[in-house]
Amino acid sequence: EAQVTQNPRYLITVTGKKLTVTCSQNMNHEYMSWYRQDPGLGLRQIYYSMNVEVTDKGDVPEGYKVSRKEKRNFPLILESPSPNQTSLYFCASSQTSGRAGSTDTQYFGPGTRLTVL
Amino acid sequence: AQTVTQSQPEMSVQEAETVTLSCTYDTSENNYYLFWYKQPPSRQMILVIRQEAYKQQNATENRFSVNFQKAAKSFSLKISDSQLGDTAMYFCAFIITGFGNEKLTFGTGTRLTIIP
Repeated sequence: EAQVTQNPRYLITVTGKKLTVTCSQNMNHEYMSWYRQDPGLGLRQIYYSMNVEVTDKGDVPEGYKVSRKEKRNFPLILESPSPNQTSLYFCASSQTSGRAGSTDTQYFGPGTRLTVL
Repeated sequence: AQTVTQSQPEMSVQEAETVTLSCTYDTSENNYYLFWYKQPPSRQMILVIRQEAYKQQNATENRFSVNFQKAAKSFSLKISDSQLGDTAMYFCAFIITGFGNEKLTFGTGTRLTIIP
């Protein structure tokens, strides 16, 4: 079954304690992305990756890191979490050509609810 | 800047009725795609329908259809014969293509409740 998985699904942590949210896809997609969802703000992009070892910032990258060592995995790292990073996080992936006028459907993971105390 | 506006934070409708969710967007680019995503209480993001901006014909998927007005930058979603399972948050979004980062720009969502 084609899917994007995220772990953990729920996490409660304390300020400053490093954490990693994993994301994995089994569709051999080149493009992967992280979003955060906050009430009244919709979803906003944190980081994205167009392929292995190619990552770049989205709209709200402060306080986050990512890596793309393998095509299937795209972990989100919070080196020193703060309460303002309490949010619902989504990983997404798609196969994309990068050509104007062409795009593929993005598949979303189930979400990770993070609370930073 | 790319923006999406959903002016109806909440809506409710009786089961079996038709409901229309509004969405306007702003971009100066010509190559883009528009989407409606559904987020039920499970929080999963589910693609409802997509529309290529270069196509004049409105997209349809079973009970879901869109009214795409490119000049007005409007992209409304119509749900016909609404069902209890349609209760969810609905997000309008678009992607500008050809720049590598296929970032989805989302609106703030409309919470739709179907009343039995």
